[in-house]
Amino acid sequence: RKEVEQDPGPFNVPEGATVAFNCTYSNSASQSFFWYRQDCRKEPKLLMSVYSSGNEDGRFTAQLNRASQYISLLIRDSKLSDSATYLCVVKSMIYNQGGKLIFGQGTELSVKP
Amino acid sequence: GAVVSQHPSRVICKSGTSVKIECRSLDFQATTMFWYRQFPKQSLMLMATSNEGSKATYEQGVEKDKFLINHASLTLSTLTVTSAHPEDSSFYICSARDIPGLAGWETQYFGPGTRLLVL
Repeated sequence: RKEVEQDPGPFNVPEGATVAFNCTYSNSASQSFFWYRQDCRKEPKLLMSVYSSGNEDGRFTAQLNRASQYISLLIRDSKLSDSATYLCVVKSMIYNQGGKLIFGQGTELSVKP
Repeated sequence: GAVVSQHPSRVICKSGTSVKIECRSLDFQATTMFWYRQFPKQSLMLMATSNEGSKATYEQGVEKDKFLINHASLTLSTLTVTSAHPEDSSFYICSARDIPGLAGWETQYFGPGTRLLVL
């Protein structure tokens, strides 16, 4: 079983749509959670951290359910520029080494006019 | 914000040759750097974690003799793919983690990646 699993893509949505991505993680000791965005042939870039109480950044809302080991990302009023691959990322702590980021396989989003 | 550079951005080489990729943190000191590999349509897979002045820690299944990592200074880490073969063709991305600040948070910054094509 993969440590971080995401919805299989691709998601093809019209502009203005609301789209939700789901992610589950297997390591209950994971400490931190993130959503990254990766554009084609580029490096991943941090979109937002995910906090236990849920958090919002403009059109983006992230939720975390530790009991279910589940993370979500909601994008409202999607724009053409939101087209990218969204990566669910979990930070696992390693004794005496700090943490390492574990990436999900990513979900591709394509927003159409 | 913090910047991580990689060089070269892309490289094409013949099978059997060795390729060195450099990763630099430009405006901060990175005690820890990470090397990832990404195949098309797949996620980033951590290859190894390197700490300045010590041996790298490799993930399971990654050959340490094939992927040589050197982290000689707080701003530079290198990955050498030795005797590269076509199956080593991939997108290699480094990441550097800064020293935790007063709040205790540390942030990981990614380089732009290096595309390796082995013919």
